[in-house]
Amino acid sequence: SQQGEEDPQALSIQEGENATMNCSYKTSINNLQWYRQNSGRGLVHLILIRSNEREKHSGRLRVTLDTSKKSSSLLITASRAADTASYFCASLTGANNLFFGTGTRLTVIP
Amino acid sequence: GAVVSQHPSWVICKSGTSVKIECRSLDFQATTMFWYRQFPKQSLMLMATSNEGSKATYEQGVEKDKFLINHASLTLSTLTVTSAHPEDSSFYICSARESTGSSTEAFFGQGTRLTVV
Repeated sequence: SQQGEEDPQALSIQEGENATMNCSYKTSINNLQWYRQNSGRGLVHLILIRSNEREKHSGRLRVTLDTSKKSSSLLITASRAADTASYFCASLTGANNLFFGTGTRLTVIP
Repeated sequence: GAVVSQHPSWVICKSGTSVKIECRSLDFQATTMFWYRQFPKQSLMLMATSNEGSKATYEQGVEKDKFLINHASLTLSTLTVTSAHPEDSSFYICSARESTGSSTEAFFGQGTRLTVV
């Protein structure tokens, strides 16, 4: 299978709490990207971390990358109800293909 | 960010007919476009990689004669689902990457929901 794995599959938290999602991928990568998808809609690019980077921040988002474990995590701090969506990691391989993880469905309760 | 336009956003067709989905990069040139398929509450599965002026590269298990991909220009790729059947009903999303620059960010269309009845 081309897919990476994400956990948890679903996450429900209270507004204001932090949300952490984990992603594991299968092959060596050029970079890893995180995307958000609202129900039935297209994808919104959130953040990209290159293979030689270990941590990156963007607003309330913090991404880590551990290439030795082939894993990444996405932390959303001070969550808001509007953050409710599905979140996918996507690994860009050397063959220039972008493969998605299985996704985490986040629900932020107001 | 760059804009990728996908059309139509939804389509209903009869079993046995063919459906064409267009993916356009509006403000950049895309040497490479990608086509994904997504079933409800599941992730995106890469179907094929489309390169301008050459044949598409299909992922394992994807029938190239059923899912015809044409990338005739640097701003347009099309996916045609031929002789569609109900099991082809799905959400199809295209993605395009800029041809120049160091960014490898991919931009996605809004998707096409195909329902075959």
